[in-house]
Amino acid sequence: EPEVTQTPSHQVTQMGQEVILRCVPISNHLYFYWYRQILGQKVEFLVSFYNNEISEKSEIFDDQFSVERPDGSNFTLKIRSTKLEDSAMYFCASTVRDGINEKLFFGSGTQLSVL
Amino acid sequence: DAKTTQPNSMESNEEEPVHLPCNHSTISGTDYIHWYRQLPSQGPEYVIHGLTSNVNNRMASLAIAEDRKSSTLILHRATLRDAAVYYCILRGPSSNTGKLIFGQGTTLQVKP
Repeated sequence: EPEVTQTPSHQVTQMGQEVILRCVPISNHLYFYWYRQILGQKVEFLVSFYNNEISEKSEIFDDQFSVERPDGSNFTLKIRSTKLEDSAMYFCASTVRDGINEKLFFGSGTQLSVL
Repeated sequence: DAKTTQPNSMESNEEEPVHLPCNHSTISGTDYIHWYRQLPSQGPEYVIHGLTSNVNNRMASLAIAEDRKSSTLILHRATLRDAAVYYCILRGPSSNTGKLIFGQGTTLQVKP
C-alpha cells in the first residue's frame, strides 16, 4: 500500500539553527499538510498546502515556519531559527482530494529535538 | 468545530470486542464523524468515518446513534496490535482544508 514517507526520522539541532523536514507524499495526492505533537500533548494542525500555495495555517505557523514543494515529489517544512519549544514530533500528511469526506494519510513522523 | 468527548482510557482483553464511545452532542447536520488511531511512535492512521448510517470496513465498524449525538467505534476482535490512542473527530464544511482537530482521544490497552 502506498505510504507517506518522512526523513529524517530523528533530527537534533541547536537552538537558533535552521532545520528542514522532508516528506514524500503519496504520488497522486494533491493536498499536503504538516501537523506536530509535543510529547504528551495533542496532535496539532500547522498548515495545509495545495497548488503551491498555503490554504490554511494555524497560529503556531508563524514567520519562522515555511513550506515548499520544490519538485514534483518532496514537500518540506522549514523552521528558520529553532526554539526549544519547537521540539516535537512533526507529521506530514496528504490526501487526493480535500473535503470532509476524505481521509488523510500520515507519515511516521520526524522527531525534532532542539537543544 | 463541534466538540467530541471520549473516555481517557479503556482496557480490553485480546480477542474480545471493544466498544469505544464518543459523545458529540453539538454535531451539526453536515458534520462527518471520523475515527483515527495512533499506534505508539507512529503517525495517526485513518480508521473509519460516517455521516448517518452505520459503516463497516476491514478495520472496524462505526455505529452512529439515530440522533447523531454519539457514536461508537467497534473493534470486533481486539488484538495486541490494536493498542493505540483512538480519536473521534468531527469534520464539517469549515474543515475542508484538511485541518483535523484532535482531542486527547481514548488510550486503549489490550491485555493478552
